[in-house]
Amino acid sequence: EPEVTQTPSHQVTQMGQEVILRCVPISNHLYFYWYRQILGQKVEFLVSFYNNEISEKSEIFDDQFSVERPDGSNFTLKIRSTKLEDSAMYFCASSGTTWTGDNEKLFFGSGTQLSVL
Amino acid sequence: GQQVMQIPQYQHVQEGEDFTTYCNSSTTLSNIQWYKQRPGGHPVFLIQLVKSGEVKKQKRLTFQFGEAKKNSSLHITATQTTDVGTYFCAGEGDSNYQLIWGAGTKLIIKP
Repeated sequence: EPEVTQTPSHQVTQMGQEVILRCVPISNHLYFYWYRQILGQKVEFLVSFYNNEISEKSEIFDDQFSVERPDGSNFTLKIRSTKLEDSAMYFCASSGTTWTGDNEKLFFGSGTQLSVL
Repeated sequence: GQQVMQIPQYQHVQEGEDFTTYCNSSTTLSNIQWYKQRPGGHPVFLIQLVKSGEVKKQKRLTFQFGEAKKNSSLHITATQTTDVGTYFCAGEGDSNYQLIWGAGTKLIIKP
């Protein structure tokens, strides 16, 4: 079965540093997402991306965050100046092969565990 | 803003006992999805409910969507060790396409 792949699986960084988390969504999917999950807590929506632009974003997704689809396969999340509270598991997800106006099921990657020291 | 409340936060059961988790939305949902996250894993899609009053079954799992499309439940009959994990509901609002996630219910099998 096709899968979403994320790299790296673990990222350790110093506070204030920039990090880029990478994702390769399923190849024929049209919608891409970033979520984060602090250990043992709920899954939090960050941003959705469709047709090369952000379609929705949450309050968490402030000016320190950005997303990019630099080529036909990668989807990245950049955090410009990391804070301690950015430490979490970051999941990429993709969905949708056609525009239906409804959410289709999300396929999640295995996540990148970000630790900010 | 729109919220989805999910209870309980944890449920401890003996293997073979039943398990139920409930989700309630502050507003009407166009659909609701359920995901399972194994310990250390990522969320995996289980099912999507769209119609008012819909009931779907997957083996020992029964999913319901309320008549008012504001609540949903997942019931597992005769739990097994493979059922261990956290079950999340995620609802799509009528006015936007963003999925709003419940906080999850962690199923723990007592040793």
